[in-house]
Amino acid sequence: DVKVTQSSRYLVKRTGEKVFLECVQDMDHENMFWYRQDPGLGLRLIYFSYDVKMKEKGDIPEGYSVSREKKERFSLILESASTNQTSMYLCASSLWGRGPYEQYFGPGTRLTVT
Amino acid sequence: AQTVTQSQPEMSVQEAETVTLSCTYDTSENNYYLFWYKQPPSRQMILVIRQEAYKQQNATENRFSVNFQKAAKSFSLKISDSQLGDTAMYFCAFMKHSGTASKLTFGTGTRLQVTL
Repeated sequence: DVKVTQSSRYLVKRTGEKVFLECVQDMDHENMFWYRQDPGLGLRLIYFSYDVKMKEKGDIPEGYSVSREKKERFSLILESASTNQTSMYLCASSLWGRGPYEQYFGPGTRLTVT
Repeated sequence: AQTVTQSQPEMSVQEAETVTLSCTYDTSENNYYLFWYKQPPSRQMILVIRQEAYKQQNATENRFSVNFQKAAKSFSLKISDSQLGDTAMYFCAFMKHSGTASKLTFGTGTRLQVTL
C-alpha cells in the first residue's frame, strides 16, 4: 500500500513564525503536491514537484515556498506565518507520466496561526 | 484554465437508498481525466472512481458509478445501496492529459450524510 505521511496532524503557530510542514511517501513516486483545503473552496494547489530539486508553482503559491532534496520528502515552508494561512494542508504523491495516475494523499495537517 | 463546479454543498440519503452527486466542469481540452475522491471524517482522501474522457463507457466500481456526458461537460457520481461508511466529503476533480506532473483541479466538494 502506498503510504503518505505528514509530520503533524495539528500545529499551532504564532504570526510571523517560520513554519515547516513535512511530507514523506514510500512508493518512489516522482510527483509530490501540496494543497490547502478550506471550507467552500475545496482543495487548491500551492506547489508541486516532479523531481528532486524541481518545483513549480500551483494556483496559490504566494506566501509559501517548498523544498525537495530527496525523492521521498517534500516540505512546505511558510516563511512568515499569517492568520490567513490557517487551514488544512494536504500532501499528495503520484507517478509521473501521461497516464491518469491516482494521487495518494496524506492525512493532512491542520495549521492554526494565532 | 479548467474549472470544476459542484453545486450541492450538502446532501443526505438514507441507508440502502441511491444518491447522485453532480459535477460539471469547463475546459477547452479534448483529452482529459475525471475523478471522484472521498474524504471520510478525520480520515485520508481516497480515490473512488476515475473516467478517461476518450472512453464513452461510464466507469463503475462496485456500488459507485458515473454518468459521464462529455458534450454537456457533466460527470455525476451515483452511489447505490448507500452505507453508513459512505458518509464523507466527495470531491470531483479534473486532470489534463499531459506529459508532466498530473495536476488535479478540484471542485468545492459535497458533504454526504448517510442516515439510518
